[in-house]
Amino acid sequence: DAGVTQSPTHLIKTRGQQVTLRCSPKSGHDTVSWYQQALGQGPQFIFQYYEEEERQRGNFPDRFSGHQFPNYSSELNVNALLLGDSALYLCASSRLEMNTEAFFGQGTRLTVV
Amino acid sequence: AQSVTQLGSHVSVSEGALVLLRCNYSSSVPPYLFWYVQYPNQGLQLLLKYTSAATLVKGINGFEAEFKKSETSFHLTKPSAHMSDAAEYFCAVSLEYGNKLVFGAGTILRVKS
Repeated sequence: DAGVTQSPTHLIKTRGQQVTLRCSPKSGHDTVSWYQQALGQGPQFIFQYYEEEERQRGNFPDRFSGHQFPNYSSELNVNALLLGDSALYLCASSRLEMNTEAFFGQGTRLTVV
Repeated sequence: AQSVTQLGSHVSVSEGALVLLRCNYSSSVPPYLFWYVQYPNQGLQLLLKYTSAATLVKGINGFEAEFKKSETSFHLTKPSAHMSDAAEYFCAVSLEYGNKLVFGAGTILRVKS
């Protein structure tokens, strides 16, 4: 079992650009959540996807959007990047109806310059 | 809204000494509580979880935590610290299993030889 996989592991973008991060959930999981972890802080919930719909959303602007595909994988898109978007972006998967806990990927380190 | 407070951003213990990491939560309903560990440049790994079954919860690597409703606390302990325990630890709360996690700011544990 590969667990939760995220790509890329690192990337550097320029202010104003757009970025797409990808996540493949653990086998058997159907729910994907995204978190932003700024340096020295705890992870902050961005949103959660289930059955290809956004199920919950945290206090993040509309520049942050997502998608879930029929195979349960997910993308996080951030438009008009700001320096403050530099962070570790974590994806977590779970199986909603089975009440499983969240399993986290290794994260994508985004640096905005 | 739920929240988590972790007392002490840094904790230092000697190898073989007791580890105590403090977590207090605020929640309008009985919560689900979690402790995660994060090693440098890695994702989060679940140590243990409280889901209202037993107030004393045992996790991996010798860690345990006790849910105390009267004190709204869920402190993490380990009888004897090992060098490999050096990492950052996050306490998290959720109102519904599988829903978004609200994390504390984290506590960095240093283990001295």
